[in-house]
Amino acid sequence: KAGVTQTPRYLIKTRGQQVTLSCSPISGHRSVSWYQQTPGQGLQFLFEYFSETQRNKGNFPGRFSGRQFSNSRSEMNVSTLELGDSALYLCASSPLDGAYEQYFGPGTRLTVT
Amino acid sequence: GENVEQHPSTLSVQEGDSAVIKCTYSDSASNYFPWYKQELGKGPQLIIDIRSNVGEKKDQRIAVTLNKTAKHFSLHITETQPEDSAVYFCAASRAGGSYIPTFGRGTSLIVHP
Repeated sequence: KAGVTQTPRYLIKTRGQQVTLSCSPISGHRSVSWYQQTPGQGLQFLFEYFSETQRNKGNFPGRFSGRQFSNSRSEMNVSTLELGDSALYLCASSPLDGAYEQYFGPGTRLTVT
Repeated sequence: GENVEQHPSTLSVQEGDSAVIKCTYSDSASNYFPWYKQELGKGPQLIIDIRSNVGEKKDQRIAVTLNKTAKHFSLHITETQPEDSAVYFCAASRAGGSYIPTFGRGTSLIVHP
C-alpha cells in the first residue's frame, strides 16, 4: 500500500497570507490527524477528522482549520499567517476508529517570512 | 491534561551498545503508548507500541516496557547500529473516541560506528 502523502512538501509564504495543505491517507484509513512540529514546542496535536467530521481539536487559534472529504483526503488551512506558524505540518492516518496505530506522512515544511 | 516527560534529550552510544529512553506520563487513564522514530527530512515512523494490559513487548532488537503503577514506560534498543541514529518520540493517549495523543519532546540518539 502507498503511504500517507502530503502536498506540497515545501512552502514559503508571507505574513498575512493564507495557506492550504493537503493530505492523502493510506487507502482504507478513515481517521486523519494533523500535527504541528517545531523545535520549541515539539509535536502538537491540531485536529482529527473521522468520516468527514472533526472529532477532536487541539489548543490552536481559529486561524487553523481543516476538513475531510468523502474519500478521506484532508486539507488544513491557516489564515492570516504569522511568523510563528513556520513549522513542519504532519498528517497521520489511522485505520481504526479511536486512532490506535498512526502512520505519518513526510510533512509539509512551511516557512513564513 | 496529559503531560509526558522524556529523557534523555540526547543519547550518544557506540555501535553494539544498548540504548534506553524513558518516558513518564501523568494521566492514569492513558492506555496506549507508541514510540516513533523520525529520521532527518521524514515524518515519524511507528516502531513499536504497547497497550496498558501488557507489561512488555519485543520486536527483534527493540523492546518496550510499561509500569502502570509508576506511570512510566521505556524503549530499549539492543545491539545498536548507525542506522538507528534518529530522533525518538514517545507518546501517551487514551485510545478511543477522544483520542488526543501527547508526545514527549524527543530523544536524539547518535550511534557512533
